[in-house]
Amino acid sequence: ILNVEQSPQSLHVQEGDSTNFTCSFPSSNFYALHWYRWETAKSPEALFVMTLNGDEKKKGRISATLNTKEGYSYLYIKGSQPEDSATYLCAFKGGSQGNLIFGKGTKLSVKP
Amino acid sequence: EAEVAQSPRYKITEKSQAVAFWCDPISGHATLYWYRQILGQGPELLVQFQDESVVDDSQLPKDRFSAERLKGVDSTLKIQPAELGDSAMYLCASSLFDVAYEQYFGPGTRLTVT
Repeated sequence: ILNVEQSPQSLHVQEGDSTNFTCSFPSSNFYALHWYRWETAKSPEALFVMTLNGDEKKKGRISATLNTKEGYSYLYIKGSQPEDSATYLCAFKGGSQGNLIFGKGTKLSVKP
Repeated sequence: EAEVAQSPRYKITEKSQAVAFWCDPISGHATLYWYRQILGQGPELLVQFQDESVVDDSQLPKDRFSAERLKGVDSTLKIQPAELGDSAMYLCASSLFDVAYEQYFGPGTRLTVT
């Protein structure tokens, strides 16, 4: 059974703090790693799809790195804002025929 | 901006009743997914369609759940009969090609079975 772990489970930070989360996944048979942001009462929104070891992607104040050999990805948020409050989900795809296996998410709360 | 539409947004039903959810993906997206998210867990794939064909329904409880995408556009997920353990968020998503590409999610249907 493939296991995707995210840590921490929840995080409370002050506005302006920078923060990061971890997604751990199987290091064998890697195909792709997805990150999604899910705000309450809204649809999950894709942030990044990463496919190559060493990939680094950036969207505004949010960036992500990927290490497929050791099976982890980091998501960084620089200068957190209240609108960054959401659950951040990562999802692993193993093999060309595999489906996305989601982690349980990291719930971020940013206080003004 | 194109969005994935789902209805209803909320549904309360009694156990043993039938319930159906509808999803309209982004136009041109060949791949459609139904996920179930139980509180505190990550979304879990129930069924994946490529056009009108089922690609993967290995996690779909086929004794009570059914899904169809007759014309390869919109899709319906049905539960009959509903059980208390079916209470969850049901998410629909679509992607241009296969699961290596980012998925676009609808707002989900929150099902409560009493």
